[in-house]
Amino acid sequence: KAGVTQTPRYLIKTRGQQVTLSCSPISGHRSVSWYQQTPGQGLQFLFEYFSETQRNKGNFPGRFSGRQFSNSRSEMNVSTLELGDSALYLCASSLVVGPDQPQHFGDGTRLSIL
Amino acid sequence: AQTVTQSQPEMSVQEAETVTLSCTYDTSESNYYLFWYKQPPSRQMILVIRQEAYKQQNATENRFSVNFQKAAKSFSLKISDSQLGDTAMYFCAFGGNRDDKIIFGKGTRLHILP
Repeated sequence: KAGVTQTPRYLIKTRGQQVTLSCSPISGHRSVSWYQQTPGQGLQFLFEYFSETQRNKGNFPGRFSGRQFSNSRSEMNVSTLELGDSALYLCASSLVVGPDQPQHFGDGTRLSIL
Repeated sequence: AQTVTQSQPEMSVQEAETVTLSCTYDTSESNYYLFWYKQPPSRQMILVIRQEAYKQQNATENRFSVNFQKAAKSFSLKISDSQLGDTAMYFCAFGGNRDDKIIFGKGTRLHILP
C-alpha cells in the first residue's frame, strides 16, 4: 500500500506570493491533518479534514487555508507569503478521526521564502 | 488546554546504551492517548509506540518501552540497546477525548554515537 504522498517536495517562493501544497493520503484513509514544522516551534497543528469537512483548525492566520476532495486528497494554500512561513509542511492521514488514531506522515514539503 | 512538554531538546548516547527521553503533559481529562513518534534525518515521521491512559500496563515495542505515570502526567520513552538507526528527532504527542486534534511536543533530537 502506498504511503502518504506530498507534492512538491521543495518550493522556493518570494514574499507576497501564494502557494498550494498537495497531499494524497493512504488509500482508505479519510482523515487528513496538516502541520507546520520549524526548528524553534516543533510541530504546529494547522488543520484537520474528514469527509471534505474541516473538523479542527489550529491557531494560524486566515492566510492559511485548506480543503479536502471527495477522494480524500487534500490541499493547503498559503497566500501573501511571509518570511516566517518558511518551514517543513507535513501532512498526515488516518483511517478516521479520533484522539486514538495513529498519524501516518508524508515526507513533507520544504517551503522556503526569499 | 492540553500541553505537552519535552524538556530535553537534544541528547547524545553511545551505541548499545540505554537512553530515556522525557515527556510531561497537562490535561484535565481522565481518558486519553499518548504517542511517541520518530523522525529520522530522512524526515518521514513514524509511530514508535502508543499508550492508552486507562491501561495501566506500560506499552512495549521491541527495544522501545514507555514509563507511563498517570498521576505524575509523565510519559517517558526508553530505548534499550540503542542503535545508530535510532538517531532521529523524537516527538511525544497527546490525544484527548474532547478535542480530536493530536498535540505534539517540541521534540528531542537524539544522537546515537558509534
